[in-house]
Amino acid sequence: AQSVTQPDIHITVSEGASLELRCNYSYGATPYLFWYVQSPGQGLQLLLKYFSGDTLVQGIKGFEAEFKRSQSSFNLRKPSVHWSDAAEYFCAVGKAAGNKLTFGGGTRVLVKP
Amino acid sequence: DVKVTQSSRYLVKRTGEKVFLECVQDMDHENMFWYRQDPGLGLRLIYFSYDVKMKEKGDIPEGYSVSREKKERFSLILESASTNQTSMYLCASSQGGGGLTYEQYFGPGTRLTVT
Repeated sequence: AQSVTQPDIHITVSEGASLELRCNYSYGATPYLFWYVQSPGQGLQLLLKYFSGDTLVQGIKGFEAEFKRSQSSFNLRKPSVHWSDAAEYFCAVGKAAGNKLTFGGGTRVLVKP
Repeated sequence: DVKVTQSSRYLVKRTGEKVFLECVQDMDHENMFWYRQDPGLGLRLIYFSYDVKMKEKGDIPEGYSVSREKKERFSLILESASTNQTSMYLCASSQGGGGLTYEQYFGPGTRLTVT
């Protein structure tokens, strides 16, 4: 069965600084990988996804993620955070034709002025 | 834009009550999902439906049932609510078929408190 680990429960970053959120997955074949963001009181919004091809994926709101098969990782990055990036971020993995996703526990990001 | 709506943002119910949470999507998606979200545990799948009247148990189905009589609507039922079902409930939908796993679109969530 697939699983997802987000090792950091909370991260605090200063506005304008870079951000990296870690995601490690466990799955036997090539996974389908997703990053979602949840702003306070809201549902989840898709930031980006990886199915195949180029391992560096660009998403919305200036985010990118890199798939590293050798490390079973799919880390999310943003070069310069804005106060509006304060939210909870979830990594998810799915398998081909499986329809279902397995989510990590989430990382809550706080942005200091 | 895909829109997934949930019938209530906040709900307070008493122990033992039967609770219905409704979800509607407007994109003709085949798949619909119910999750519960608890701090530190992420999202856990309760039930999944891949077609009208079809359902499949997720990771934590105990104490819950679902109904999908129409393609656009997926209901979660708590037969006899208990305090340990106090949580945020999220509904999602996605395309189906084609041998792929598609992105899921989420509703705003229902925060249920059982007292």
